[in-house]
Amino acid sequence: DVKVTQSSRYLVKRTGEKVFLECVQDMDHENMFWYRQDPGLGLRLIYFSYDVKMKEKGDIPEGYSVSREKKERFSLILESASTNQTSMYLCASSEYGTGGGTEAFFGQGTRLTVV
Amino acid sequence: LAKTTQPISMDSYEGQEVNITCSHNNIATNDYITWYQQFPSQGPRFIIQGYKTKVTNEVASLFIPADRKSSTLSLPRVSLSDTAVYYCLVVRKDTGRRALTFGSGTRLQVQP
Repeated sequence: DVKVTQSSRYLVKRTGEKVFLECVQDMDHENMFWYRQDPGLGLRLIYFSYDVKMKEKGDIPEGYSVSREKKERFSLILESASTNQTSMYLCASSEYGTGGGTEAFFGQGTRLTVV
Repeated sequence: LAKTTQPISMDSYEGQEVNITCSHNNIATNDYITWYQQFPSQGPRFIIQGYKTKVTNEVASLFIPADRKSSTLSLPRVSLSDTAVYYCLVVRKDTGRRALTFGSGTRLQVQP
């Protein structure tokens, strides 16, 4: 069974802390994504990566950075957490296919609260 | 990528067929239409994808007219467990560097 695993289901951090959200996939997918989801706003893309050490900004990259040192792992970093980064964070992965849109697999989400 | 527009919410009753329409007026030749379903406190999951005409799987059917400017997700005989948010996405097929763009989706509430 395909799997995208996020390291934490719930996290509570203090303002100003550096926060790491980890995501691991076991499908050998090239593409990996980080989204945040807030009520009424749907899923918004923060960053995505199409290869090791490669990354591209999504729609809302401000205040975030990412790291992809190994193909299976994609980390989202909040350099200095702020209360407006309280949200549900979702990681996803997909194949690097060109024969049509390829299915993305999502993790279970990390609900981050910054106090 | 083409912007998508879909209703914010829909209500239905168990056993009814539900049709959710999505408009994507600026869809390009290389674009596919894809639908995802999201239950509360879970990540979205892929339901169905199509390019033109009709596609059917064990979960849903997808109808795409010839001009491809809209598409309709059809859920036959819904049950309470179909209560979820449904997202319509336009996905480009000519590059593997593919970032999925989600809108706000359609919140479907199925009543007993």
